[in-house]
Amino acid sequence: QSALTQPASVSGSPGQAITISCTGTSTDVGGYKYVSWYQQHPGKAPKLMIYDVSNRPSGVSNRFSGSKSGNTASLTISGLQVEDEADYYCSSYTNDSTWVFGGGTKLTVL
Amino acid sequence: QVQLQESGPGLVKPLETLSLNCNVSGGSISRYYWSWIRQPPGKGLEWIGYIHDSGKTNYNPSLKSRVTISGDTSKNYFSLRLTSVTAADSAVYYCARLPLGRFDPWGQGTLVTVSS
Repeated sequence: QSALTQPASVSGSPGQAITISCTGTSTDVGGYKYVSWYQQHPGKAPKLMIYDVSNRPSGVSNRFSGSKSGNTASLTISGLQVEDEADYYCSSYTNDSTWVFGGGTKLTVL
Repeated sequence: QVQLQESGPGLVKPLETLSLNCNVSGGSISRYYWSWIRQPPGKGLEWIGYIHDSGKTNYNPSLKSRVTISGDTSKNYFSLRLTSVTAADSAVYYCARLPLGRFDPWGQGTLVTVSS
């Protein structure tokens, strides 16, 4: 079970938009709708931001959006704010009924 | 709303067994899947396994030989046992509900250090 591939870091300025990619295979990201994204601030537990590829839980800003193309899922954050600075992780269901996370991406808001 | 709280020893000796509980409040553990996830210091998240209230379990293949997840619906908690631990098992351990494809909510996490 290999971790999903995410860029180690991304950065952007307040007000800009950034996209974080999450690449897997046809046995995980490409094969299922169960792709989710989590935000983690230092010392805190992860928080669900996107589920089922593109759905937002209630209470999550509509500046966060998700999509998928083939074996790659993406998280886009528009109108970057300072408080968006955090680590972001993707997760996917897999064909052997297990779950796998991405390696994580550190977002810096310059 | 549902809240989860991990509990257990913060220090475990090498080759011994790590045991943690996840107490669930604000809702029943029945009907859902429940999961354990860990995060070594400074590193990413690793899925450990899940349990359903039916007793069905599944584990990360890399940990499968050492992991057992069990549940007690009468007391509304579920547990993690990890045997023969080494320093590589030092991590913050989180429990989370797993409703239809996502981990939500999460407990606050508990740090477990493996050291003699």
